[in-house]
Amino acid sequence: QSVLTHPPSASGTPGQKVTVSCSGSRSNIGSGSVRWYQQLPGTAPRLLIYNNDQRPSGVPDRFSGSKSGTSASLAISGLQSDDEADYYCAVWDNSLNGWVFGGGIRLTVL
Amino acid sequence: QVQLQESGPGLVKPSQTLSLTCTVSGDSIKSGGHYWSWIRQPAGKGLEWIGRIHSSGSINYNPSLKSRVTMSVDTSKSQFSLKVTSVTAADTAVYYCARENRDSDYAFDCWGQGNLVTVSS
Repeated sequence: QSVLTHPPSASGTPGQKVTVSCSGSRSNIGSGSVRWYQQLPGTAPRLLIYNNDQRPSGVPDRFSGSKSGTSASLAISGLQSDDEADYYCAVWDNSLNGWVFGGGIRLTVL
Repeated sequence: QVQLQESGPGLVKPSQTLSLTCTVSGDSIKSGGHYWSWIRQPAGKGLEWIGRIHSSGSINYNPSLKSRVTMSVDTSKSQFSLKVTSVTAADTAVYYCARENRDSDYAFDCWGQGNLVTVSS
């Protein structure tokens, strides 16, 4: 069972805005910054967001992140069919002294 | 352009030791600016962080795997390695190596393509 929790799935239609959330505790999200990764089928994960809301170069501004207290969110606007993927939140856990991932959110574009 | 490439056997027998190496090109492990991690993913499941190593020798392991995992780095070859002892079927997974980039708040900004390791007799 993951230290970080979120709904296992989300869905939306093309053009829509979808928000997925990730809930943790004071020892992880509450005290550190959140990263988000996208994993397309059969590929390695790709960094989408770091430091809660920063995008690496090459990541479209349709992707945005935020954090409040012990929860974080990833928003995807202007949903496209190739956004269909698994999304993972990740953060350093000070109690475990290591990285923890959410269990993954399967995003379906209807 | 930074590239990471995992290498190692795809099949390991139960109770034996799994050994993987990650070769880094386009960046210097010696530079000291990054950490180098191993992450695994069983088929159809989520990501699990195994551990990380810094060129200084600093290491962190996932507490749930710590008793069976050893990581090392060879800066002369620009490689870092993973050993997992006493493997069982539960260790069957795709194993990724990844760079934690200091410039992106130590996020995993570069990943290898993954190496499937199956534990079976």
